[in-house]
Amino acid sequence: TQLLEQSPQFLSIQEGENLTVYCNSSSVFSSLQWYRQEPGEGPVLLVTVVTGGEVKKLKRLTFQFGDARKDSSLHITAAQPGDTGLYLCAGVIGQAGTALIFGKGTTLSVSS
Amino acid sequence: DAGVIQSPRHEVTEMGQEVTLRCKPISGHNSLFWYRQTMMRGLELLIYFNNNVPIDDSGMPEDRFSAKMPNASFSTLKIQPSEPRDSAVYFCASSLARGRRTNTGELFFGEGSRLTVL
Repeated sequence: TQLLEQSPQFLSIQEGENLTVYCNSSSVFSSLQWYRQEPGEGPVLLVTVVTGGEVKKLKRLTFQFGDARKDSSLHITAAQPGDTGLYLCAGVIGQAGTALIFGKGTTLSVSS
Repeated sequence: DAGVIQSPRHEVTEMGQEVTLRCKPISGHNSLFWYRQTMMRGLELLIYFNNNVPIDDSGMPEDRFSAKMPNASFSTLKIQPSEPRDSAVYFCASSLARGRRTNTGELFFGEGSRLTVL
């Protein structure tokens, strides 16, 4: 059972378009992180959201944590080819609150 | 500063052989994680350690898999005997856990070890 469901699985768009990817769960997370992974490399953290309803912006990327802390979204404005990659959301689990479980990710391809 | 270092980067082996993957976490980090990534299942948590102690190994698929962390600067993931379905990219990650209740610390990943079992 996948605790974190990401959609869409694949997204192919043109440079300049806007897009939103989603991360949903039936579980409540104390915090949620978004990572970006490029081919041949490990994931790299983009942002951590902690408070229900929180919105964080990172240049053209806007992250939102759902009020119930069960879901999150990533919106990219005016996508660029450099945004191409695998976007992963991850929720904190464990009694010690130290482990992350990941969704399967959204593979984004932005063509010029 | 050096990041998480994994070796080997690539390994091709035959079914039944023993495979050992190695990881050196970032100095000063007290949590270490082993993940496996495949197209079908995504990034799966196998096991994680806090202060060199295994905390949760429920993600380890079978008894053929074992992991050790003899000290704060080294960990191994061993598969014996290996099978074709073990083919995947294995990632090691480390972080600094600041407390028991909530760790919102960043995970720093290595570049992964791509394992192919024929």
